[in-house]
Amino acid sequence: AQSVTQPDIHITVSEGASLELRCNYSYGATPYLFWYVQSPGQGLQLLLKYFSGDTLVQGIKGFEAEFKRSQSSFNLRKPSVHWSDAAEYFCAVAPYTGGFKTIFGAGTRLFVKA
Amino acid sequence: EAQVTQNPRYLITVTGKKLTVTCSQNMNHEYMSWYRQDPGLGLRQIYYSMNVEVTDKGDVPEGYKVSRKEKRNFPLILESPSPNQTSLYFCASWGQGANTNTEAFFGQGTRLTVV
Repeated sequence: AQSVTQPDIHITVSEGASLELRCNYSYGATPYLFWYVQSPGQGLQLLLKYFSGDTLVQGIKGFEAEFKRSQSSFNLRKPSVHWSDAAEYFCAVAPYTGGFKTIFGAGTRLFVKA
Repeated sequence: EAQVTQNPRYLITVTGKKLTVTCSQNMNHEYMSWYRQDPGLGLRQIYYSMNVEVTDKGDVPEGYKVSRKEKRNFPLILESPSPNQTSLYFCASWGQGANTNTEAFFGQGTRLTVV
């Protein structure tokens, strides 16, 4: 069955510290991979996406993610977290045939300590 | 400005009273979908549409209906709401084209409470 697993329900980091959010997926073929961010009271906004090519992708707001095929992982990283990064983060996968079949993980809520 | 607009943003209703949540997009997107978001479960797909008059069930369609009479609009209908449909609902749309048919554009969400 196709699925996306985000093992951490919530994470707390200090402002200025580095961040890594984990994502593992189960899919029949290499899917399209995404990270979305949801700020309080808002819809989801795309942070970055991976289709093919370089396995390290850069996104908005200083985020990056690395695709590791052997581990079926697509972890999100940021070298220095800002208080404004506090939000919920969703990893997602979609088939080549269309993003309207996107499957989302359960989300990881990020708390940032001053 | 490209956007997906949902209305209302907040709704409290009583069990059994029919309601409609509207969704409209101004990007001429072919694909649209409804999701519900519940704590610990992420977003689960209710219904999706690949074009006008073409809709299909997602993972949790029970208790919901949709229609796609115009390309821009994709309303979600709850004929007889029940308390287990209390949730946060999101509408999303996707375009068609090279590398554009995979990124979702989301509305701001509708928080529905059924008492």
